[in-house]
Amino acid sequence: GDSVTQMEGPVTLSEEAFLTINCTYTATGYPSLFWYVQYPGEGLQLLLKATKADDKGSNKGFEATYRKETTSFHLEKGSVQVSDSAVYFCALSGEGFKTIFGAGTRLFVKA
Amino acid sequence: NAGVTQTPKFQVLKTGQSMTLQCAQDMNHEYMSWYRQDPGMGLRLIHYSVGAGITDQGEVPNGYNVSRSTTEDFPLRLLSAAPSQTSVYFCASSYSRTDSYEQYFGPGTRLTVT
Repeated sequence: GDSVTQMEGPVTLSEEAFLTINCTYTATGYPSLFWYVQYPGEGLQLLLKATKADDKGSNKGFEATYRKETTSFHLEKGSVQVSDSAVYFCALSGEGFKTIFGAGTRLFVKA
Repeated sequence: NAGVTQTPKFQVLKTGQSMTLQCAQDMNHEYMSWYRQDPGMGLRLIHYSVGAGITDQGEVPNGYNVSRSTTEDFPLRLLSAAPSQTSVYFCASSYSRTDSYEQYFGPGTRLTVT
């Protein structure tokens, strides 16, 4: 069945460092891909998405490109801030609305 | 719009007790889901609904029941609580679009079963 694998955390960075969180997926067909973010004590919220190969999703300085040839959707940000500290989930939806989530990667950003 | 609301925010149960977690959305979304979040395991789908009167099982349905009598409400019932059901529970709603299904999440219910 469909699955999502993302890098284990926690990831600890200093402010203004470059961020990459790796995500790879297994799916039949052409799924939509998502990154969700969960701030402490809150529910998940959509950060960005891409619906077809070579699409780039972007929001709040974060970017991810849908790479079908490598089945990847890595999350990147050029300069992280303390306020980016959160848990990040990679996810896919294949047939229908059911969404498969990765295990989540916790990011700590130090001032 | 309140979005997706969940009550209660926190709950402690004793083994064997039953309870209902409430979820409501005011966005007229067709699809609603219940997930549980456990450390290192991401979110796992418990039950979902594709419209009023239609529900189905997800990945981890055992010990839980749902119903969907209206578009707005999707309660989750724990029949006989067990310590293994200690978790954070999230309700989410979604609507059909031509290209993707974005999930809108509630704030969660933290449940402890002793």
